[in-house]
Amino acid sequence: DADVTQTPRNRITKTGKRIMLECSQTKGHDRMYWYRQDPGLGLRLIYYSFDVKDINKGEISDGYSVSRQAQAKFSLSLESAIPNQTALYFCATSGSGIGYEQFFGPGTRLTVL
Amino acid sequence: RKEVEQDPGPFNVPEGATVAFNCTYSNSASQSFFWYRQDCRKEPKLLMSVYSSGNEDGRFTAQLNRASQYISLLIRDSKLSDSATYLCVVNIGYGGTSYGKLTFGQGTILTVHP
Repeated sequence: DADVTQTPRNRITKTGKRIMLECSQTKGHDRMYWYRQDPGLGLRLIYYSFDVKDINKGEISDGYSVSRQAQAKFSLSLESAIPNQTALYFCATSGSGIGYEQFFGPGTRLTVL
Repeated sequence: RKEVEQDPGPFNVPEGATVAFNCTYSNSASQSFFWYRQDCRKEPKLLMSVYSSGNEDGRFTAQLNRASQYISLLIRDSKLSDSATYLCVVNIGYGGTSYGKLTFGQGTILTVHP
């Protein structure tokens, strides 16, 4: 089984709808991250959490919110989806420390019409 | 200026060729450096960490030049399976909320052809 899972894998929604992307990990890591990837822009950090009680904004948090329900679960919500939030979304986890590798989930492809 | 900059390519090389990718970073406080590989429509995966002394893993060699704030990746004897996007990744890693965050370059596309 995959160590980092994301649901759904693909989602098409309409402008104004609220949607939630979910991430679960079995690696026992404290740190979890949400990124979006757009062609030509690379991966950009939306939110990150270093433990269950810690939530931090990344570089592009506007229009998004997150919830860290447990060490293993980190969900991303779009309260009112808009077309420019169409992107590939990745969840990642890492251990503590500077050089710890980040492990990514398989991604969620979101299309907002 | 972007925090991490890469030549986006694409690089098209024949099998067996040697290819080099370069990356520059803007924050001199950066602590850790990595190359990730991303296949089309897949998640990024760590290829190798980059150490100050330079390091090698099989056909792959990574170099770091802190004075010039420059990272490189050399691939020797390219294989068809090396075709992917290569992401230069930097971790600032000093105190506060920057600790543990990675900054990704936009990636360099490599295509190895027969």
